[in-house]
Amino acid sequence: QVQLQESGPGLVKPSQTLSLTCTVSGGSISSGFYYWSWIRQPAGKELEWIGRIYTSGSTNYNPSLKSRVTISGDTSKNQFSLKLSSVTAADTAVYYCAREALVSGYYAFDIWGQGTMVTVSS
Amino acid sequence: QSVLTQPPSASGTPGQRVTISCSGSSSNIGSNSVNWYQQVPGAAPKLLIYSSNQRPSGVPDRFSGSKSGTSASLAISGLQSEDEADYYCAAWDDSLSGWVFGGGTKLTVL
Repeated sequence: QVQLQESGPGLVKPSQTLSLTCTVSGGSISSGFYYWSWIRQPAGKELEWIGRIYTSGSTNYNPSLKSRVTISGDTSKNQFSLKLSSVTAADTAVYYCAREALVSGYYAFDIWGQGTMVTVSS
Repeated sequence: QSVLTQPPSASGTPGQRVTISCSGSSSNIGSNSVNWYQQVPGAAPKLLIYSSNQRPSGVPDRFSGSKSGTSASLAISGLQSEDEADYYCAAWDDSLSGWVFGGGTKLTVL
């Protein structure tokens, strides 16, 4: 049973870099036809896809965040990470990591982490 | 303003059938399948429908999805109190080269 767990600081100062890690258990981030994504949700608002990394290491980012986002993988630790630079209060949200899997030939986010709240404040 | 448009709220009484719509464009729903997610308060979203009308194992057949042109819909029949949650549609957008979500619909079981 694959499980995902987010970790990282819950409080980040404005203009600094938000850094989160997703630890994957029960499966490898470097095998299979999977993408590993970051998705966020401000309180009371909709979900926003941030970006993803493929098992090969290639990445895709949301165009609206692309200039500030880096997603990387560490196969030795079976983790993938998110870095979001120059944060503002608008980046305050619950951040989820999720697996994007081929479900009967179609991609979908089939497994999610529990989410971690990140607040941007001085 | 979300790329995919959903009504902010929907409601029904136990046993009723409720439908939630999701409207997009040719670059997302019009050319790709739609997934639906259920999110109960305080929890992570859960995959409910994929490929517009397929249910993952474990999802009751009370939940069904459909797609026509640039719109999709989620239907819940035999409404139960535990169905009270937020529902989100999602699709890949070819123009943005990324996933887009609807604004979410809060379902209330009266």
